[in-house]
Amino acid sequence: GENVEQHPSTLSVQEGDSAVIKCTYSDSASNYFPWYKQELGKRPQLIIDIRSNVGEKKDQRIAVTLNKTAKHFSLHITETQPEDSAVYFCAASKKGGSEKLVFGKGTKLTVNP
Amino acid sequence: DVKVTQSSRYLVKRTGEKVFLECVQDMDHENMFWYRQDPGLGLRLIYFSYDVKMKEKGDIPEGYSVSREKKERFSLILESASTNQTSMYLCASSFFWTSGRNEQFFGPGTRLTVL
Repeated sequence: GENVEQHPSTLSVQEGDSAVIKCTYSDSASNYFPWYKQELGKRPQLIIDIRSNVGEKKDQRIAVTLNKTAKHFSLHITETQPEDSAVYFCAASKKGGSEKLVFGKGTKLTVNP
Repeated sequence: DVKVTQSSRYLVKRTGEKVFLECVQDMDHENMFWYRQDPGLGLRLIYFSYDVKMKEKGDIPEGYSVSREKKERFSLILESASTNQTSMYLCASSFFWTSGRNEQFFGPGTRLTVL
């Protein structure tokens, strides 16, 4: 089955710096890659996703890149702010068949003022 | 506004008890999921359902069962609770893949402690 590896497990940056979180997946049939953000004590929420027919997607300060050949995708956050502090999860799933998501183990991002 | 609700935020049970966790969504989603979340292990799928009375095992189904009698409701059952089932349980729901909308909406979670 699919296996998603996520690195680093913790990341600390200064406010205004950029943060990058990387994930690799094992199943070449996976073609949907979402990123969820979970603030302390709250539920995970989708922040951005990318499908395999696209190499990059941006939404204001966040972007996701996908390299299908290498089977890895990354989340980029620019101009980080304290409210970006949270746990971020990457995930992968296949089209058609089941919609189950396989999640990475998460990255705890701390943005220091 | 999508709402996914779970029957309890906190639950304390004793070893061997039968435990029911309930999840309700109000967006007419076809898919519903149960995950458990443990520190350092991320979100692990226990069971999911893509239609009423349909269910599929996830990655860690042992010790759990599920029930989906109505489209909006998905129940997780611990037949005989054990201490290693102490965890945060998250329910989620989503539209079917063919809708083009695959976002999973999560409930607030149930923190279950088994003594």
